[in-house]
Amino acid sequence: EIVLTQSPATLSLSPGERATLSCRASQSVSSYLAWYQQKPGQAPRLVIYDASNRATGIPARFSGSGSATDFTLTISSLEPEDFAVYYCQQRYNWPLTFGGGTKVEIK
Amino acid sequence: EVQLVESGGGLVQPGGSLRLSCAASAFTFSSYAMNWVRQAPGKGLEWVSYISGSTTTIYYADSVKGRFTVSRDNAKNSLYLQMNSLRAEDTAVYYCDWKGNWGQGTLVTVSS
Repeated sequence: EIVLTQSPATLSLSPGERATLSCRASQSVSSYLAWYQQKPGQAPRLVIYDASNRATGIPARFSGSGSATDFTLTISSLEPEDFAVYYCQQRYNWPLTFGGGTKVEIK
Repeated sequence: EVQLVESGGGLVQPGGSLRLSCAASAFTFSSYAMNWVRQAPGKGLEWVSYISGSTTTIYYADSVKGRFTVSRDNAKNSLYLQMNSLRAEDTAVYYCDWKGNWGQGTLVTVSS
């Protein structure tokens, strides 16, 4: 089973600041890495798929990078609606696995 | 617009059974694989099961293998999860997933 480790667990930032979230895989997942955003009481929403492709309707301030075992989600300038929990997920092999999440909170 | 609507959740006693449904629309359902994913209260996400479009390939998480059965009815654009021998640790919101698009989820609570 591929283990995904997200860091940091919590990121305290102010609106307008840059957010950098990390996801590290225990073995290569090629580019089969997705990022999800989840707000309280809501279902997760796909943000990035295949490591660097923005999902439909996702603003350009979100970008993904990386391959193999190291991946980054960057939010270039935080908007109030971006404060949420972010999860990475690998779709490279079975079982599909998720990271433990990074909470982006308002400082 | 793609829509996924889960239903069938509720309160069930340990050892009981429940059948979840996911109604899909706005895409060619039969052409695509689907997943079930769950989230225990206050916890992270856990993949549960996968079924290919033709139903020829099915996978389960070890935590549910032998207890849960995934199926689909392509004529009805519907995905199902039959859950038997339910345990307290199966308590979660269950989501169906199509290519990263998720429904709103249905809550399953296993408690006496």
